[in-house]
Amino acid sequence: SQQGEEDPQALSIQEGENATMNCSYKTSINNLQWYRQNSGRGLVHLILIRSNEREKHSGRLRVTLDTSKKSSSLLITASRAADTASYFCATAFMNSGGYQKVTFGTGTKLQVIP
Amino acid sequence: GAVVSQHPSWVICKSGTSVKIECRSLDFQATTMFWYRQFPKQSLMLMATSNEGSKATYEQGVEKDKFLINHASLTLSTLTVTSAHPEDSSFYICSARDLAGGLSSYNEQFFGPGTRLTVL
Repeated sequence: SQQGEEDPQALSIQEGENATMNCSYKTSINNLQWYRQNSGRGLVHLILIRSNEREKHSGRLRVTLDTSKKSSSLLITASRAADTASYFCATAFMNSGGYQKVTFGTGTKLQVIP
Repeated sequence: GAVVSQHPSWVICKSGTSVKIECRSLDFQATTMFWYRQFPKQSLMLMATSNEGSKATYEQGVEKDKFLINHASLTLSTLTVTSAHPEDSSFYICSARDLAGGLSSYNEQFFGPGTRLTVL
């Protein structure tokens, strides 16, 4: 079963606006990652935040993590049409077999209108 | 660095045939590779975890006899879809994790570009 639930499922904004996507998960994690996927393509890793970190920045991306609420958010500032894609959160945790397992959230489909 | 390739990028086959998909880590050694499946407009679902030199661990509901995984070297894992049927049509994505303490101390996975399988 999927670990993460994302909202909104779909988001449509004008170019230049900020886009915020949220991810909630169920179990304790080692780290949380955000990925981007253009339609029909592979995944592009955006950013990784460890369980002991609360915020991380990378260019126009800002990720927060609240382990007490088991949630994370991805903020894309000054959005561009090229940001149009699906965004997934992925949580990494140690499973009963002793190895790290990554499961993906349901994804948010972002459309940035020029 | 940290490039993962998949071959082929797309494949069309007839129902009943078998299809092999390769996943290679090009510039690092991967003790563990993961195979995911993604149906249209859905998220990625982990199918199995492949450790070099040992049997793969399959997720619940994934038929190990239908999806054969071989991880014979530290840079290559293969997924064979046996006796493929139209319902197996999907986007298959692999990822590879570097040796512990290698490229990333947080065991970041690096994803391949995916293979689109269409079974007629």
